[in-house]
Amino acid sequence: EVQLVESGGGVVRPGGSLRLSCAASGFTFDDYGMSWVRQAPGKGLEWVSGINWNGGSTGYADSVKGRFTISRDNAKNSLYLQMNSLRAEDTALYHCARDSVVPAARGAFDIWGQGTMVTVSS
Amino acid sequence: EIVLTQSPGTLSLSPGERATLSCRASQSVSSSYLAWYQQKPGQAPRLLIYGASSRATGIPDRFSGSGSGTDFTLTISRLEPEDFAVYYCQQYGSSPATFGPGTKVDIK
Repeated sequence: EVQLVESGGGVVRPGGSLRLSCAASGFTFDDYGMSWVRQAPGKGLEWVSGINWNGGSTGYADSVKGRFTISRDNAKNSLYLQMNSLRAEDTALYHCARDSVVPAARGAFDIWGQGTMVTVSS
Repeated sequence: EIVLTQSPGTLSLSPGERATLSCRASQSVSSSYLAWYQQKPGQAPRLLIYGASSRATGIPDRFSGSGSGTDFTLTISRLEPEDFAVYYCQQYGSSPATFGPGTKVDIK
C-alpha cells in the first residue's frame, strides 16, 4: 500500500524549532519529488516547500523562506522539514505529499499523508 | 503569485443533484495546470482532477473538470452521500503552487 506517515509535530514556543519527518512506503521513493503542504486550523491549504527526487532542487513559500529547510534521505525513504524561528502563524497541520509524475500533473499532489500538528504558542 | 477564488463558499444540495463548483484565477493558468482535490473531515486531501479535465486514478466518472485560462469548473453529475466534502482547486503552472479557499458541499 502506498503510504506517507508524518511525525515530529508538537507544541513549541515562538522562536523555537521542530523537525518534521515523513516516512514513505509502497513506492519507489527516489522516483518522486516531494512537498510539504500545511493547513491552519479550519483553513485552506498552503504549499510550504518542495524538493526534487535527489534533493538537488528545492523551493519554499515566501512565508517560510530562510526559516524552514526541506531535505530527504532516499536510503531511508524519508522526507524532512527543519523548522526554525517558528511563529504563531506557522501553527498548522503539516502534510507531506507526493508530486505526481504524470506529465500533465507534474506539480499536483497524488498521495498525501494524514499530517502532523504543529502548534506555536507561548 | 496566482490567487485562486472559489465560488460558492458553500453549496447545499441533496443526494442525486448536480454540483457545479467554480475556480477563478487572478491570471491565466499555464497549460491548464489546474487540479481539484476533495477533503473530508479528519482526512487528507485526495486528488480528483489534474490538467483541468483529466481524472486521477480511481476517480468515478461522475466527477468532471473543464475550463482554461482563468476560469475552471468541477462538476459532480449526481451527488452520492460520500461526495459531501470540501473541494479545493490548485494551480501548479506557476511557482509557487497555490490553492483556492475551498467550496464546502453539504447536505441540504
